[in-house]
Amino acid sequence: DAGVIQSPRHEVTEMGQEVTLRCKPISGHNSLFWYRQTMMRGLELLIYFNNNVPIDDSGMPEDRFSAKMPNASFSTLKIQPSEPRDSAVYFCASSFGASNNEQFFGPGTRLTVL
Amino acid sequence: AQKVTQAQTEISVVEKEDVTLDCVYETRDTTYYLFWYKQPPSGELVFLIRRNSFDEQNEISGRYSWNFQKSTSSFNFTITASQVVDSAVYFCALSGEYNTDKLIFGTGTRLQVFP
Repeated sequence: DAGVIQSPRHEVTEMGQEVTLRCKPISGHNSLFWYRQTMMRGLELLIYFNNNVPIDDSGMPEDRFSAKMPNASFSTLKIQPSEPRDSAVYFCASSFGASNNEQFFGPGTRLTVL
Repeated sequence: AQKVTQAQTEISVVEKEDVTLDCVYETRDTTYYLFWYKQPPSGELVFLIRRNSFDEQNEISGRYSWNFQKSTSSFNFTITASQVVDSAVYFCALSGEYNTDKLIFGTGTRLQVFP
C-alpha cells in the first residue's frame, strides 16, 4: 500500500512568493496532520483535520499560513507571502480510526525561502 | 500542560553496545498515550511503538525494548546490541485524554552508532 504522499519533495522560492504544499493521506485514514520541523523549534503541529474538518489550527503561525482539505484524499498547506523564516521541512501525517492512534508520516517537503 | 523531555541531545556508541534513550513526560490526564518515532538520515518519521497509560508492561520487539514507569513519568527506549543502521534521531511523543489526536513531541535524541 502507498504511504502518505507529499509533493513537492523540495521547493526553493523567493521571499514574497506563494507556496503550496500538497498531501495525499493513506487511503481510509480519517485524520490528517501538518507538521513543521526546524532545528530551532523541533517538530510542531500546525493543524489537523478529522473527516476533512479542521479541528485544531492553534499551531498555525500566522495568517500567512492556510490549510484546506477539500476531500478525504487531498490536503494543501499554503504560505502567502512566504518569508525566509518559513524555511523548514513540512511533514504531512495521517491516522485511522479512534483517537490516539499512531500517525504515519510522509517523506516531507523541504522548503527553502530565499 | 503537556510536555515531553528528552534530555539527551546526542548519544554516540560503538556497534554492539546497548543504549538507552530517556523520555520523561508531564501530563495531568488520567488517560494518555506515549509513542516513539525514528527519523533516519533519509528524513521520514517511522512509527515504532504506542503505549497507553494503563499498560505498564515492558515491551520487547527484537533488539528494541521499552520501559514504561508511571511512578517516574518515564518511557525509556533501549536498543540492545546496537547496529549502524540504528543511527537516527529518535522522538518520544505524548497524546492526552483531551484533544486526543494532538501529539506533543520531545526535542529528539540523535543516536550515532559507529562501526
